[in-house]
Amino acid sequence: EVQLVETGGGLVQPGKSLKLTCATSGFTFSNAWMHWVRQSPEKQLEWVAQIKAKSNNYATYYAESVKGRFTISRDDSKSSVYLQMNSLKEEDTAIYYCTWKGFDYWGQGVMVTVSS
Amino acid sequence: DIQMTQSPSSMSASLGDRVTITCRASQDIGNYLSWFQQKPGKSPRRMIYGATNLAAGVPSRFSGSRSGSDYSLTISSLESEDMAIYYCLQSIQYPYTFGAGTKLELK
Repeated sequence: EVQLVETGGGLVQPGKSLKLTCATSGFTFSNAWMHWVRQSPEKQLEWVAQIKAKSNNYATYYAESVKGRFTISRDDSKSSVYLQMNSLKEEDTAIYYCTWKGFDYWGQGVMVTVSS
Repeated sequence: DIQMTQSPSSMSASLGDRVTITCRASQDIGNYLSWFQQKPGKSPRRMIYGATNLAAGVPSRFSGSRSGSDYSLTISSLESEDMAIYYCLQSIQYPYTFGAGTKLELK
């Protein structure tokens, strides 16, 4: 059974950092292209970032709104994908989901609240 | 960036109705269009991929179609369990972009 479990969310002040983890199981993670997608309190979905597999040189892609502040990475030995979020802004407040296989599989999401 | 203009933003319909939701792409996206259903407190669920392909386990009353740059999700006979928010997504070009969503409610 495919599972994606996000952790690491919470309340953080503007300008601070947070790192999200998505632990996966049930599929060959090393071949997987992984995404992070977020959903604002207004329910708008926004694609955030993607990381491809080793065979694709771990290529990464970002939304303009997070480029230079967020970094997606992976550890194939742990079947996990990460989202390092720096210089957080109030507009980064959202539920963050990791997804796989063309957005066919989603985690349960983790809440990130950026507020002073 | 490719803009996905989704309409309507909300709609109410009766059980058994035929319902259609549309997304218009600002550039050519071929068939790189997916539809998602999201119920309160749940993660999005992919319903349609490649514009017209039904995802595994999705009821056959759901279908996807394309006419030029307009993409549609149709529910042939609305059931109570279909009440949700529906989103489209283009995945041909970075950044991938979602439509703003259509909230489907029971009349």
